[in-house]
Amino acid sequence: AQSVTQLDSHVSVSEGTPVLLRCNYSSSYSPSLFWYVQHPNKGLQLLLKYTSAATLVKGINGFEAEFKKSETSFHLTKPSAHMSDAAEYFCVVSDLGTGTASKLTFGTGTRLQVTL
Amino acid sequence: DVKVTQSSRYLVKRTGEKVFLECVQDMDHENMFWYRQDPGLGLRLIYFSYDVKMKEKGDIPEGYSVSREKKERFSLILESASTNQTSMYLCASRTPPSRDEQFFGPGTRLTVL
Repeated sequence: AQSVTQLDSHVSVSEGTPVLLRCNYSSSYSPSLFWYVQHPNKGLQLLLKYTSAATLVKGINGFEAEFKKSETSFHLTKPSAHMSDAAEYFCVVSDLGTGTASKLTFGTGTRLQVTL
Repeated sequence: DVKVTQSSRYLVKRTGEKVFLECVQDMDHENMFWYRQDPGLGLRLIYFSYDVKMKEKGDIPEGYSVSREKKERFSLILESASTNQTSMYLCASRTPPSRDEQFFGPGTRLTVL
């Protein structure tokens, strides 16, 4: 069974300061990991994904995440927050051990607030 | 660009009504998914479909059914809507399994009175 835990339900940062959104996962197989973002009244958009290549993954809008197997973590970071980053972020794990039947398991989400 | 569209952004129904939520994708994806999104719970998988006329239960299928008669269209059916089915419903489709990324529609916010 696979699961993902987002350690903070709400994070608030000032514009121009770093962003850290934390995620821990559990998976029986070698996982794929994703971060999705959802802006208000919009669908989910893929930020970045890890699929067993480089452990440091760069995504859109300056975000990146590092896969750390020893810590079972996949934290999302950005050096400098922008007001447009305010949104809800979901960490997602996919258990590739099930092949074509692989499903996504979502975390409960972290709402990022960016203040002036 | 992949486009996943859902028939309604907002829907209000009464308890006991039969409700159809429609989803269409334009990229010839084989796999399609229905999720519901509730505050503090993230997204939970209701049903998914590998291909036309094929379906699998997800984590919370009770009270729902699905239909996939054509590759591009995946319908979610609430046979007899109840107030606890008030939620945001999201449809997604997927590229070939080796890539695993899912593309999401904008969602349908369903209110059952």
